[in-house]
Amino acid sequence: KAGVTQTPRYLIKTRGQQVTLSCSPISGHRSVSWYQQTPGQGLQFLFEYFSETQRNKGNFPGRFSGRQFSNSRSEMNVSTLELGDSALYLCASTRDAMNTEAFFGQGTRLTVV
Amino acid sequence: SQQGEEDPQALSIQEGENATMNCSYKTSINNLQWYRQNSGRGLVHLILIRSNEREKHSGRLRVTLDTSKKSSSLLITASRAADTASYFCGPSNDMRFGAGTRLTVKP
Repeated sequence: KAGVTQTPRYLIKTRGQQVTLSCSPISGHRSVSWYQQTPGQGLQFLFEYFSETQRNKGNFPGRFSGRQFSNSRSEMNVSTLELGDSALYLCASTRDAMNTEAFFGQGTRLTVV
Repeated sequence: SQQGEEDPQALSIQEGENATMNCSYKTSINNLQWYRQNSGRGLVHLILIRSNEREKHSGRLRVTLDTSKKSSSLLITASRAADTASYFCGPSNDMRFGAGTRLTVKP
């Protein structure tokens, strides 16, 4: 079966713009989590969605938001981009909320110039 | 804040040696998972250990779990250059990873 698909793979945006990233989980998986990874801060948790509801949220400003659709696909949005938002954004899907292996996408590399 | 915290932050060994990295977590768990990340790519699941297990093996990987200390360790035996990667741990019910352990295996 298909793995976790993140689109786009690479993105270049200008400061002040907004961006939307997409994650399609494995078929049948209902939980999607988002992470930001930078060389300086490591892998940081953004938020987790389960059955269209945000279950957990990391310590990020309100410029970072997300949502999940009824088909479990998820999007995250970053508004008013800053240079520091340049990072690899990873999403992970799990079959249900607990006790199961997470499958990660290859990530979206966002560069803010 | 993160739930899994890996130690050491970096580890450099020669091919053929064993590598041990540790993980501490904060909450009660149902199980704990270890992941590997090759540079700039997504994480790959390595092994899951349940809270009622103390040790688990998978190929060259050996994971231990001590729920009383809220800690786990990952041992990679007979390391290879291809094991060079970052390793992360975290409870399945709260996958907020730490900074990971960066393992370098020199040929």
